[in-house]
Amino acid sequence: GAVVSQHPSWVICKSGTSVKIECRSLDFQATTMFWYRQFPKQSLMLMATSNEGSKATYEQGVEKDKFLINHASLTLSTLTVTSAHPEDSSFYICSADTGGSYEQYFGPGTRLTVT
Amino acid sequence: KNEVEQSPQNLTAQEGEFITINCSYSVGISALHWLQQHPGGGIVSLFMLSSGKKKHGRLIATINIQEKHSSLHITASHPRDSAVYICAVPLISNFGNEKLTFGTGTRLTIIP
Repeated sequence: GAVVSQHPSWVICKSGTSVKIECRSLDFQATTMFWYRQFPKQSLMLMATSNEGSKATYEQGVEKDKFLINHASLTLSTLTVTSAHPEDSSFYICSADTGGSYEQYFGPGTRLTVT
Repeated sequence: KNEVEQSPQNLTAQEGEFITINCSYSVGISALHWLQQHPGGGIVSLFMLSSGKKKHGRLIATINIQEKHSSLHITASHPRDSAVYICAVPLISNFGNEKLTFGTGTRLTIIP
């Protein structure tokens, strides 16, 4: 149980375009979903926390208008990278929890390359 | 000083060796996570523990809340254990919610 999927697993896009990444909890309802990015050989950095039906809470230094997060249902959150730049190339990982138990379940990640 | 520190940063061992990875944290926590990240990037949650010890197959995780220290042990290590092992603790963010703060990871390589 407790499976989180991400789609796509990898994507290449051109500078200036937008890319949407989906994060789904397959067998549980996720009250909270987290979006992380990870640069090569570095640790995960939390970008934002989203709760179903409310606005995401962004970490300091993360541009809200650039990284749009929508948590439309208890099983789906999306991250849209708008007007992508090569420096947005990274590994994006989502995680989800059921609330109250501190358990977090991680998705397999999406590797974004912006050319 | 990082709030979550791991050691060693890199570890190479022969197949069959007993492996220990350490994690120290500087603030009070409710629970600690051990995660495994394979070269492909996907992350697997190995353990979440708030006291004592947990065992899953060849993996054992222990935590000492008073000393703010946790260890991950691998018995009879195997090349497929080669991965980055990350400890993470939930801390209160500037916004008042809990968020995971990650150690820098330990890159483990098991040689056949």
